Amino acid sequence: GDSVTQMEGPVTLSEEAFLTINCTYTATGYPSLFWYVQYPGEGLQLLLKATKADDKGSNKGFEATYRKETTSFHLEKGSVQVSDSAVYFCALSVDNTDKLIFGTGTRLQVFP
Amino acid sequence: EAGVAQSPRYKIIEKRQSVAFWCNPISGHATLYWYQQILGQGPKLLIQFQNNGVVDDSQLPKDRFSAERLKGVDSTLKIQPAKLEDSAVYLCASSPYGEDYGYTFGSGTRLTVV
Repeated sequence: GDSVTQMEGPVTLSEEAFLTINCTYTATGYPSLFWYVQYPGEGLQLLLKATKADDKGSNKGFEATYRKETTSFHLEKGSVQVSDSAVYFCALSVDNTDKLIFGTGTRLQVFP
Repeated sequence: EAGVAQSPRYKIIEKRQSVAFWCNPISGHATLYWYQQILGQGPKLLIQFQNNGVVDDSQLPKDRFSAERLKGVDSTLKIQPAKLEDSAVYLCASSPYGEDYGYTFGSGTRLTVV
């Protein structure tokens, strides 16, 4: 079935370091891909999305490119801040449904 | 714009007891979802409503879980009787009809079954 695999955390970085969180997917149809973020004590928030191959989603300095050839949607940020500390979820939705299938989440901890 | 409201924020019950969670979506959002997030896992869709009709409840354990959305507005998710493995965060989300992926999630209800 359709699934999402994320790198395990926690990812621990110093402020201003470069961030990559890996995400790969398996899907039978043509998925749309998402990154959601969950700050402590808050609900999930959509961070960025891409709906077709080679699309790049971006928001708040984060970027991810939909790579069909490698079935990946890795999240990157050039310079992280302490305020980026949160849990990041990769997700997909297939065949024009709006049902989301989530990965297990990756906790990011950024220290000053 | 007010967000998706959920209550209670936390609940602790003994196994075999019953529990109910409440969700009030964003005004005007036609679609409402309940997700279950077990510790260390990603959220999993339990049920999706379009107005007051069920669109997808394929992963809802219907022998113990039930949900309703009266009048197409707020919704209640019930578990009866609860099991230890039901310990999780229950997330409600809503989106406007026809707007792809315009989800807004609530902060969730954390259920602990002892």
